[in-house]
Amino acid sequence: RKEVEQDPGPFNVPEGATVAFNCTYSNSASQSFFWYRQDCRKEPKLLMSVYSSGNEDGRFTAQLNRASQYISLLIRDSKLSDSATYLCVVNYMEYGNKLVFGAGTILRVKS
Amino acid sequence: EAQVTQNPRYLITVTGKKLTVTCSQNMNHEYMSWYRQDPGLGLRQIYYSMNVEVTDKGDVPEGYKVSRKEKRNFPLILESPSPNQTSLYFCASSLTALGSSYNSPLHFGNGTRLTVT
Repeated sequence: RKEVEQDPGPFNVPEGATVAFNCTYSNSASQSFFWYRQDCRKEPKLLMSVYSSGNEDGRFTAQLNRASQYISLLIRDSKLSDSATYLCVVNYMEYGNKLVFGAGTILRVKS
Repeated sequence: EAQVTQNPRYLITVTGKKLTVTCSQNMNHEYMSWYRQDPGLGLRQIYYSMNVEVTDKGDVPEGYKVSRKEKRNFPLILESPSPNQTSLYFCASSLTALGSSYNSPLHFGNGTRLTVT
């Protein structure tokens, strides 16, 4: 089983739609969780951190479910510019500075 | 402008010809790391450095070397490249040695696409 698993997609949605991605992680000792965004052939960039209580940043909402070991990203009112690959990232503190990246979920927003 | 700079952006080379990919950051970050990204596998860590003269292996260190003689620079060296090292490489840095803490996210360079024939 992969340490961090994501549905690769692609998720094809129309503009204005709401879309959600899940990401599961295998190590219950994980302590930090993030969503990074990666545009085609570009470097990943931090989209948002995921806190235990859940957090929201504009149209983006991140949730953490420790009991079921998954995190989620919800995007409301999708824009064409949201088209990208979304990477789930989990920190395993017991391994020191190990950040484990999921392979990513592709989102395509179409007009 | 705060940034992580990698060079070159693209590199095509032949098996066995030593090469170096440079990485430099101007943010006084302690932590630096190299990743490779391959389709379907996500980013995998090659080496990381918690500070000057401190380096350690990541998940896929075979065939690579690094050095951290200065805080700002973290070059990746391929002594004898092979075709299975064809990949997209990213250098990243973060403020503290805990590169994964909420207050210290990773900043990535813009990538080096390496092809080894």
